[in-house]
Amino acid sequence: AQSVTQPDIHITVSEGASLELRCNYSYGATPYLFWYVQSPGQGLQLLLKYFSGDTLVQGIKGFEAEFKRSQSSFNLRKPSVHWSDAAEYFCAVGAHPGGSYIPTFGRGTSLIVHP
Amino acid sequence: ETGVTQSPTHLIKTRGQQVTLRCSSQSGHNTVSWYQQALGQGPQFIFQYYREEENGRGNFPPRFSGLQFPNYSSELNVNALELDDSALYLCASSLVSSGGAAQYFGPGTRLTVL
Repeated sequence: AQSVTQPDIHITVSEGASLELRCNYSYGATPYLFWYVQSPGQGLQLLLKYFSGDTLVQGIKGFEAEFKRSQSSFNLRKPSVHWSDAAEYFCAVGAHPGGSYIPTFGRGTSLIVHP
Repeated sequence: ETGVTQSPTHLIKTRGQQVTLRCSSQSGHNTVSWYQQALGQGPQFIFQYYREEENGRGNFPPRFSGLQFPNYSSELNVNALELDDSALYLCASSLVSSGGAAQYFGPGTRLTVL
């Protein structure tokens, strides 16, 4: 079965600093990978997705993520964090194991931004 | 273009009752998925509907059921509510039902079971 691990429950950075949120997945084939962001009291918004091709994916709001097959990772990065980036971030894998669609989300990483 | 909407925003029920949550998909989307998000956790997949048929189901008991209508709006029904059903319920629509489809989420319905 597929799984997603986000090893960091909380990450604290200073505004203007760089950011990397970690995501590791487990799946038998090349998965579809996503990063979503959730602000308090809101639904999830898609930041970026990876299906195939170039392993460095650009998303909205200045985020990017890199797919590394050898490490089963899909880490999210941003070169300079803004206070408005404070939110919950979820990594997800979408796949069709056995013909049924079962998407799996990680438990999330809470980003705290200090001024 | 109208986004995904959900109703109601908040709901309080007592144990043993039944609840229906509603979702309107984004225009042009024929697939809807429902998720349960407990406090401090990631969303857990309940089921997905594609063209009015259930297209996949997560590890939830049969008392969680759904419907998708010809206009692609959807309902989530939960019978015999339990305290652990308290959560944020998210609806997400997508253009296709494949595992690679990007999903567009509604703001959720916060269900509290007392």
